[in-house]
Amino acid sequence: EVQLVESGGGLVQPGRSLRLSCTASGFTFGDYAMSWVRQAPGKGLEWVGFIRSKAYGGTTEYAASVKGRFTISRDDSKSIAYLQMNSLKTEDTAVYYCTRVSAFTRLDYWGQGTLVTVSS
Amino acid sequence: DIVMTQTPLSLSVTPGQPASISCKSSQSLLHSDGKTYLYWYLQKPGQSPQLLIYEVSNRFSGVPDRFSGSGSGTDFTLKISRVEAEDVGVYYCMQSIQLPPTFGQGTRLEIK
Repeated sequence: EVQLVESGGGLVQPGRSLRLSCTASGFTFGDYAMSWVRQAPGKGLEWVGFIRSKAYGGTTEYAASVKGRFTISRDDSKSIAYLQMNSLKTEDTAVYYCTRVSAFTRLDYWGQGTLVTVSS
Repeated sequence: DIVMTQTPLSLSVTPGQPASISCKSSQSLLHSDGKTYLYWYLQKPGQSPQLLIYEVSNRFSGVPDRFSGSGSGTDFTLKISRVEAEDVGVYYCMQSIQLPPTFGQGTRLEIK
């Protein structure tokens, strides 16, 4: 059974940093790209970015709203994907979901999400 | 960015009756590889989104056959043949032909 478990959320002040983790199980983590999607309170879904598998260079892509501030990385030996968030803004407040990416573009399994609140 | 527009934004359906949600994209989602990169997700209350339909019309693993997807180019539809109480939630369409992947605003389904 595919499982994705996010952790690391919490309350953080504007301008500070936070790192989220996504621990995967039930599949060969290294074979898949991984993505992050967020949802502001009461709002819709916004794609944040993704990291390709090592077979495809392990490269990353980001939404314009987070580019230069957020960094996605992965540790295939631990089956963990990370979302490093720097220079946080109040508008980054959201539940952050990690998702597995199949067939290059399909966000097929989602974690339960972790809430990040950016506030002074 | 490709804009995804869903209609209606909410609907109330009697159990056993059909429901339909439309999703229109600002650009064609047909790729040169022949696939159309349109997906449907359901976010049940208090839960994370779950994949229902991929590439317009393919049901994901475990999705009941009362859910079906259709469409082409820029116009797509999700249909529920007979709505059940467990179908309540917010439905999103998503495109991934082009970065960034973008979602529709969501359609809230409630049971009468």
